[in-house]
Parts: sequence; structure tokens; C-alpha cells
Amino acid sequence: EPEVTQTPSHQVTQMGQEVILRCVPISNHLYFYWYRQILGQKVEFLVSFYNNEISEKSEIFDDQFSVERPDGSNFTLKIRSTKLEDSAMYFCASSGDRGVGANVLTFGAGSRLTVL
Amino acid sequence: DQQVKQNSPSLSVQEGRISILNCDYTNSMFDYFLWYKKYPAEGPTFLISISSIKDKNEDGRFTVFLNKSAKHLSLHIVPSQPGDSAVYFCAASEASGTYKYIFGTGTRLKVLA
Repeated sequence: EPEVTQTPSHQVTQMGQEVILRCVPISNHLYFYWYRQILGQKVEFLVSFYNNEISEKSEIFDDQFSVERPDGSNFTLKIRSTKLEDSAMYFCASSGDRGVGANVLTFGAGSRLTVL
Repeated sequence: DQQVKQNSPSLSVQEGRISILNCDYTNSMFDYFLWYKKYPAEGPTFLISISSIKDKNEDGRFTVFLNKSAKHLSLHIVPSQPGDSAVYFCAASEASGTYKYIFGTGTRLKVLA
């Protein structure tokens, strides 16, 4: 069964460092998402991406965050200067074209980010 | 801004019985609703969906009911199995643009053997 893969599974970084989280969405999917879950809290929407541009972003997704689809297969989330409160599990998700499974998101296993 | 609420943080059910997980929402513009199951250290796994034009959708042991007037949906699992023990999230989205799902806080289901 097709799956969304994320790397790394766990990253520990010092506050102020840049972090890049990588995702390989399902190959024929067109919509890409990043969500995060702070320990003990709910899964929160960060950003959606379609046709090589951001479609929507939440208030959490400030100037420290950026997304990119550099080579047509990877989808990355960059945090420019990490803060302690960025510690969370980051989930990548993708969905198909409109009308064919576009409304169902398939999630990856997540990347745990720990900022010290 | 809790647009999607799951008021029961946990639920325990005997194996073989019905599990009913509830979810309430406030945004009348929501058109699509999903239920996800999540195990620790894994991503959410899609279970079942329902759109606002329906009031019920069934898939095997899982049935989702939608009451638009009450802005309430529920997930029924019959019969419950120990492997169903996980955290269940409901998520809701409007139909415009990309599907920006708003998740509830989750209900931890424990199915007792």
C-alpha cells in the first residue's frame, strides 16, 4: 500500500539552529500538508501546498517556517531558527486530486523534533 | 479556538461490545469529516469519512453518523476488539481550497479483553 515516508524519525537540535524535515508523499498525490502535535495536545494544521505554492497556512506558520518541493518528489519543512516551543511531532500528509480522494489525507509516521 | 471538540478524553469498553466515540463542531461550513486512529509514535491512520450530504457511512465494523443540525458526529465500532485500543481523532474541513482539517483533541479508547 502506498505510504508517506518521513525522515528523520527523531532529531535533536539546539535552540536557534535550522532544521529541515523531509517527506516523500505518495507519488500521484497533488496536495501536501504539514501538521504538528505538541506532546499531549491535538494535531494542528501548519500549511498546505498545491501546484508548487502554499495554499493555506495557520498562525503557527510564521516567518521562521518555510516549505519547499525541490525535486518533484520530496516535500520539506524548514524551521530557520528553532525555539524550545517548536518541540513536537511533525506529520507530513498528502492527498489525491480533487474528486478522487482529495479529501482524505494520508499521514506519515512523523518526525519528532526536540529542541534543547 | 476549539472548532472541533471531543469531550471524552478516554473510553473503556469490553471486547465484543459497541464503542461510541463522539465529536462536536461549531463551524457550520465544515463539509467533510474524517476519523483517524493513532497509535503511539505513529502517524494518524485514516478510518472512515463522511461528507455533509450524508448522515451515515459504513465500512465493516466502523460506522460514522453525522447530525448536521446538532453539529455532532459519532463513530461506532461494532464489535470492539483489543486491537482497536488507540487514540481516535475526528477532523473536519470546509470544501473550499485544500482540505485544511481541524482536529479534535482525541479520545483514548481501551478495549478490555
